[in-house]
Amino acid sequence: ETGVTQTPRHLVMGMTNKKSLKCEQHLGHNAMYWYKQSAKKPLELMFVYSLEERVENNSVPSRFSPECPNSSHLFLHLHTLQPEDSALYLCASSQETQGAGGYTFGSGTRLTVV
Amino acid sequence: AQSVAQPEDQVNVAEGNPLTVKCTYSVSGNPYLFWYVQYPNRGLQFLLKYITGDNLVKGSYGFEAEFNKSQTSFHLKKPSALVSDSALYFCAVRDTGTYKYIFGTGTRLKVLA
Repeated sequence: ETGVTQTPRHLVMGMTNKKSLKCEQHLGHNAMYWYKQSAKKPLELMFVYSLEERVENNSVPSRFSPECPNSSHLFLHLHTLQPEDSALYLCASSQETQGAGGYTFGSGTRLTVV
Repeated sequence: AQSVAQPEDQVNVAEGNPLTVKCTYSVSGNPYLFWYVQYPNRGLQFLLKYITGDNLVKGSYGFEAEFNKSQTSFHLKKPSALVSDSALYFCAVRDTGTYKYIFGTGTRLKVLA
């Protein structure tokens, strides 16, 4: 374990379902991120939270809704997804001072939309 | 705009041979550079970073990387490859003035027994 835990590891959902992905870190980091990793595509930054406030939303469709209730937890709420949303969703955290620390990633949630 | 490029989708190397995975970058200011490795069905794991100091950086699992400012490169190297090194490798650079990182598209390393 890296210190960043993601649940569930695998998720299969229909296009009309609502589900949530969970990320938890106990590293004392103050920034958390959601990335989408699709086959043969670069990692896509979806959301950035710093000190529990969303600081960036990279034009992500509204069917993805993040929530950061405290510095240790990050959620990604999903509803009415499309098959092209199937991907590995990665959570990461960092201790942001000068951006020199690097990220700690979770193992990801493999999402399949049917 | 800041960017990072990994020109090779895949690198094949025989076990025991030296390996190099290439990365070039474009940033304004001093670059913060990173290498990550991803094994199947796992998240990315930190390997090494260059912030300042010696151009040759040593990291986990016997990997090292050489920062070359004139060529704007940060190639990942290992003197003797292992089959277990087979994985997806990502180069990343800090987006100047922020704490976000820009990732390359990844290079799949395949070490053949």
